[in-house]
Amino acid sequence: NAGVTQTPKFRILKIGQSMTLQCTQDMNHNYMYWYRQDPGMGLKLIYYSVGAGITDKGEVPNGYNVSRSTTEDFPLRLELAAPSQTSVYFCASSPRLSSYEQYFGPGTRLTVT
Amino acid sequence: TQLLEQSPQFLSIQEGENLTVYCNSSSVFSSLQWYRQEPGEGPVLLVTVVTGGEVKKLKRLTFQFGDARKDSSLHITAAQPGDTGLYLCAGRHAGGTSYGKLTFGQGTILTVHP
Repeated sequence: NAGVTQTPKFRILKIGQSMTLQCTQDMNHNYMYWYRQDPGMGLKLIYYSVGAGITDKGEVPNGYNVSRSTTEDFPLRLELAAPSQTSVYFCASSPRLSSYEQYFGPGTRLTVT
Repeated sequence: TQLLEQSPQFLSIQEGENLTVYCNSSSVFSSLQWYRQEPGEGPVLLVTVVTGGEVKKLKRLTFQFGDARKDSSLHITAAQPGDTGLYLCAGRHAGGTSYGKLTFGQGTILTVHP
């Protein structure tokens, strides 16, 4: 029973480097979300998707890109890493609009130096 | 932008004490959720309150949604060390185009000492 999985768990990037954070869910959920969590702060929504091929910006999308080619996968791309992107990133999924619960992955801790 | 103010940010108490965490907004939410997060893990849903004035109990935890659906509280009775963790409130945006998006409070770090 995998649920939502995220890779890698930890990553250190140099300023200007690029990387993709992977997120996969095996629950056949349509709705998927990317959040970032900074110390002492709650989670802020970066991007979300309501199904394969459909994505939209959340509260803090600058510096990130997403794609959703399949129901299972929702990768988050950082093109030119900046220190301000140092954070813990969480992916979440939800089965339908009327469902209240979002199921979260374990997170990716990213440091940009 | 809908904001959720959560207080207190830190709470350090002794085992057996009671505590209350508050979540306040000037905006109306269609529902309010409370999550608990352990270090190194993602948040896990504790409860969802939907109706104004609703009260839900989960063992020693009592959750209340304000009558106007703008605020919520989490009360823990006789706290135990196992209650230690980060507690997050999250308001669900209303409207058909909200797509279940959540606005999170800043979180309350609770430490219960034996």
